[in-house]
Amino acid sequence: GNSVTQMEGPVTLSEEAFLTINCTYTATGYPSLFWYVQYPGEGLQLLLKATKADDKGSNKGFEATYRKETTSFHLEKGSVQVSDSAVYFCALKGDTGRRALTFGSGTRLQVQP
Amino acid sequence: EPEVTQTPSHQVTQMGQEVILRCVPISNHLYFYWYRQILGQKVEFLVSFYNNEISEKSEIFDDQFSVERPDGSNFTLKIRSTKLEDSAMYFCASSAGTGPSGANVLTFGAGSRLTVL
Repeated sequence: GNSVTQMEGPVTLSEEAFLTINCTYTATGYPSLFWYVQYPGEGLQLLLKATKADDKGSNKGFEATYRKETTSFHLEKGSVQVSDSAVYFCALKGDTGRRALTFGSGTRLQVQP
Repeated sequence: EPEVTQTPSHQVTQMGQEVILRCVPISNHLYFYWYRQILGQKVEFLVSFYNNEISEKSEIFDDQFSVERPDGSNFTLKIRSTKLEDSAMYFCASSAGTGPSGANVLTFGAGSRLTVL
């Protein structure tokens, strides 16, 4: 079956540091890949997505590239802010017609001023 | 911006009691979902609902669970007889369907935390 593996947190960075949160997946075919973010007290919000190999999703300075050869979708940001502190979830949707998302366990990011 | 709203935000219940978690999806969405996250673990899919019936469910969604859309706006998850291991954050989500890119974009609520004592 489908699965998503994320690096464990928490990840603690200073403001303006470079961020990478690793995500790898297992799926047959050509899944769609997503990053969701959960700010304190709020629901999961779609951050970015990519639907085919080599696509780069980007939003709010965050980027992730769909790498089929390494089955990865790592999240990056060049300069984090305190307001980026949240839990980040990698997720995939298989290409079999099922609509359910498969999530990773989430990675908590703490950005210190 | 349209949002998915969930109530209650936190519920504490005794083992064996029935619990109903409520969700108001985005009004023009057609697909509805429940996920849960046990503390420190993955977000897990429970069930999806379309056209007034369950379209998918996971092995977690056993006979203790049920969903319904009683009035065309609310979407509820009922746990008939709660167990300790049902303690989790329950997320409701909705989607319009397949987006222009072919990806199904879900909008999630803030979650309902259930604590079973």
